[in-house]
Amino acid sequence: GAGVSQSPSNKVTEKGKDVELRCDPISGHTALYWYRQSLGQGLEFLIYFQGNSAPDKSGLPSDRFSAERTGGSVSTLTIQRTQQEDSAVYLCASSYRQGANYGYTFGSGTRLTVV
Amino acid sequence: SQQGEEDPQALSIQEGENATMNCSYKTSINNLQWYRQNSGRGLVHLILIRSNEREKHSGRLRVTLDTSKKSSSLLITASRAADTASYFCATDRRSNTGKLIFGQGTTLQVKP
Repeated sequence: GAGVSQSPSNKVTEKGKDVELRCDPISGHTALYWYRQSLGQGLEFLIYFQGNSAPDKSGLPSDRFSAERTGGSVSTLTIQRTQQEDSAVYLCASSYRQGANYGYTFGSGTRLTVV
Repeated sequence: SQQGEEDPQALSIQEGENATMNCSYKTSINNLQWYRQNSGRGLVHLILIRSNEREKHSGRLRVTLDTSKKSSSLLITASRAADTASYFCATDRRSNTGKLIFGQGTTLQVKP
């Protein structure tokens, strides 16, 4: 597609439920990133994928968080047993290639509210 | 720890004035990037400056980088109401290249 697509755009879930957030990166972009942004805050790195390399999971806040990237394209971020502190906007980005000189293209995010 | 820190946290100016935002960081970088965010959703890439560059222009945007001071500035000239947004700097660190570390952002309000 023309841009990075995320779904759903909004998700309200009950505490303790599992949620899945989806990201469709730009075709041909080999790098994919997940960030989280709490209200009025900066972006917190969660995880990134680069081609067939092992993902960098160093930003995942707990073992309740996991992510997959199938076929080097679509990615799913899963949060198990959601807590109220998980409420945030989850942003996905892709870039042509990992690192140095490529800007990111962001999706519009998924606003997750845990009640 | 936060790599990029923007200053000021909030800035309010009149249309037509220039807006300057600053960013400081802590470790050596490959490049530094500036992004704009409207309404708390997706970010838009504005400009990228490499560690061996000192200044870069794009339209009404001017970015400088001082690696000796580990700081960067974003200047928006002749601001418009449509420039109202949050602006973030992000660094690609040499020690862990490949992922951008974002600052807390500067909220800019341009009054018509």
